[in-house]
Amino acid sequence: AQRVTQPEKLLSVFKGAPVELKCNYSYSGSPELFWYVQYSRQRLQLLLRHISRESIKGFTADLNKGETSFHLKKPFAQEEDSAMYYCALRTSGTYKYIFGTGTRLKVLA
Amino acid sequence: EAGVTQSPTHLIKTRGQQATLRCSPISGHTSVYWYQQALGLGLQFLLWYDEGEERNRGNFPPRFSGRQFPNYSSELNVNALELEDSALYLCASSPDENYGYTFGSGTRLTVV
Repeated sequence: AQRVTQPEKLLSVFKGAPVELKCNYSYSGSPELFWYVQYSRQRLQLLLRHISRESIKGFTADLNKGETSFHLKKPFAQEEDSAMYYCALRTSGTYKYIFGTGTRLKVLA
Repeated sequence: EAGVTQSPTHLIKTRGQQATLRCSPISGHTSVYWYQQALGLGLQFLLWYDEGEERNRGNFPPRFSGRQFPNYSSELNVNALELEDSALYLCASSPDENYGYTFGSGTRLTVV
């Protein structure tokens, strides 16, 4: 079965500390992975896509097919990074996304 | 450019009634996706419409249905409402399969 797992419901880090939000997926084919973010009182928005290999707001994510992971990382957390983060999987040949249950990141001053 | 717009923002219905939720995609986007975000369950895929046709649906009962109009806006209808249908319903559109979604701000449906 296709599944996305975000094991941490809440992750608290201090400002300036490194951040890693974990995402593991289960899918036998070739996956497309995304990270979405929802800041307080804002709509859910795309943060980054693995196919573009980009860094957005200092965040990066590398697809590790061996470990079936797509962890989101940032070397130095900022208070404005506090938000809800969702990992999503799009299976090949479909337009359907499977979302994880999300991780709430709190960056403490 | 206007984003994805959803209406109403909030909707309160009684169990057994019907609810109609509306979504307008970004101009030029022909695909509309509906998701249910229930507390503690994350986002669950409901329906995908493209060019006026239902292309895919998630694991939801038939009382969840919808349609897409010629202007690509969409309606989600939920019949015979149950208490567990209370959730945030999100609509999204996308220019193509590789780009990712642009989400609306959602309709919060409360069934009492």
